[in-house]
Amino acid sequence: DAGVIQSPRHEVTEMGQEVTLRCKPISGHNSLFWYRQTMMRGLELLIYFNNNVPIDDSGMPEDRFSAKMPNASFSTLKIQPSEPRDSAVYFCASSLYQGEEKLFFGSGTQLSVL
Amino acid sequence: AQKVTQAQTEISVVEKEDVTLDCVYETRDTTYYLFWYKQPPSGELVFLIRRNSFDEQNEISGRYSWNFQKSTSSFNFTITASQVVDSAVYFCALTTRSSNTGKLIFGQGTTLQVKP
Repeated sequence: DAGVIQSPRHEVTEMGQEVTLRCKPISGHNSLFWYRQTMMRGLELLIYFNNNVPIDDSGMPEDRFSAKMPNASFSTLKIQPSEPRDSAVYFCASSLYQGEEKLFFGSGTQLSVL
Repeated sequence: AQKVTQAQTEISVVEKEDVTLDCVYETRDTTYYLFWYKQPPSGELVFLIRRNSFDEQNEISGRYSWNFQKSTSSFNFTITASQVVDSAVYFCALTTRSSNTGKLIFGQGTTLQVKP
């Protein structure tokens, strides 16, 4: 298996633009997580899905952020409109069963909002 | 509420020294899982170990060992004879069963620098 695949690896955009981050989890994994990593706040869980259903989105910072998982092999994290404070590395991870099993992380998307 | 504390922000050692990374966790749940992940300079997060709350046996894997002590709510990680390739950020993480949300909460991480 190729592991968790995220795209793009790097994204540079201007404030106010829409940003869409994509993730393909490992086949057969039931849970998918979106994390954001910054120097100030460390690794924060934004949202996670179990069997394509959002279970906990309490970490989503505000209404500008939305996430979807239309099927078991694809998820998106959208920021609209983007702001400079959204600049961070966004990681997608998948696991066989929620957080109890080890997470396999993607390589991350480095987002810079100018 | 769950919480993971890694009090050591940065550690610097010379190659071949032993080093211990501390992790203290908080939870009221009796069933929980603890993890360590490594983030090398390349940025990816790599799984190292998973322990459940009912298994307090220490574990050794090569130069790595983990000491799980429920009495002190600690899950410390020791690298023996450190090498330059061990330089990375190390994260301790916790999830609990009873919350039924599957959240995996990370500590702030410890940056380990191993100098040649």
